[in-house]
Amino acid sequence: DIQMTQSPSTLSASVGDRVTITCRASQSVSRWLAWFQQRPGKAPQLLIQQASSLQSGVPSRFSGRGSGTEFTLSISSLQPDDVATYYCQQYHTYPTFGGGTKVEIK
Amino acid sequence: QVQLVESGGGVVQPGTSLRLSCAASGFTFSRHGMHWVRQDPGKGLEWVAVISDDGSNEFYADSVKGRFTISRDNSKNTLYLQMNSLRTEDTAVYFCVKTDCGNIGCKLFDYWGQGTLVTVSS
Repeated sequence: DIQMTQSPSTLSASVGDRVTITCRASQSVSRWLAWFQQRPGKAPQLLIQQASSLQSGVPSRFSGRGSGTEFTLSISSLQPDDVATYYCQQYHTYPTFGGGTKVEIK
Repeated sequence: QVQLVESGGGVVQPGTSLRLSCAASGFTFSRHGMHWVRQDPGKGLEWVAVISDDGSNEFYADSVKGRFTISRDNSKNTLYLQMNSLRTEDTAVYFCVKTDCGNIGCKLFDYWGQGTLVTVSS
């Protein structure tokens, strides 16, 4: 199995800050990497696919970069609505997920 | 809009069985591969199983192989997960997940249901 490692596990920032989450794969997944947002008590929602393609309806403050084994998700200006846990997931082979990054407002 | 509504969760004893269902609407169910993914607060998200659009192919995570069976009824727009020989480590919220294409190689999870909680405890 491909192991996915996210950092940090928790992130606390102020409204308007730029925040970045990192996801590393144990072997190359090319660009077969998705990011999900999960608000408390809700289902995960797809934000980004193929490492950098924003899903329709997702605010443009979200962006993704990377390929191979290292990826990032950035939020350019953190908003209260962004409080959630974010997960990366590779779909190069049978799917595996990162451990999640909980984003809080300071 | 796409809706996936899971049901069938509950509290069961180790060694027993449970069947989960997922009612799908808002898209052409018979054209999409479907997955089950589970979430345990201690272990995070774990992919469980996939079935192709026509039900002819299935694939399972090693942790459930031989105990769980994924199936679908395209005439009823419903996905199932038959879970046998349940273990305490199967305790999780189980999500029904739609993919963006039809075969078992389709692994982009574009819509998720709200999940149903399965608790395995003596």
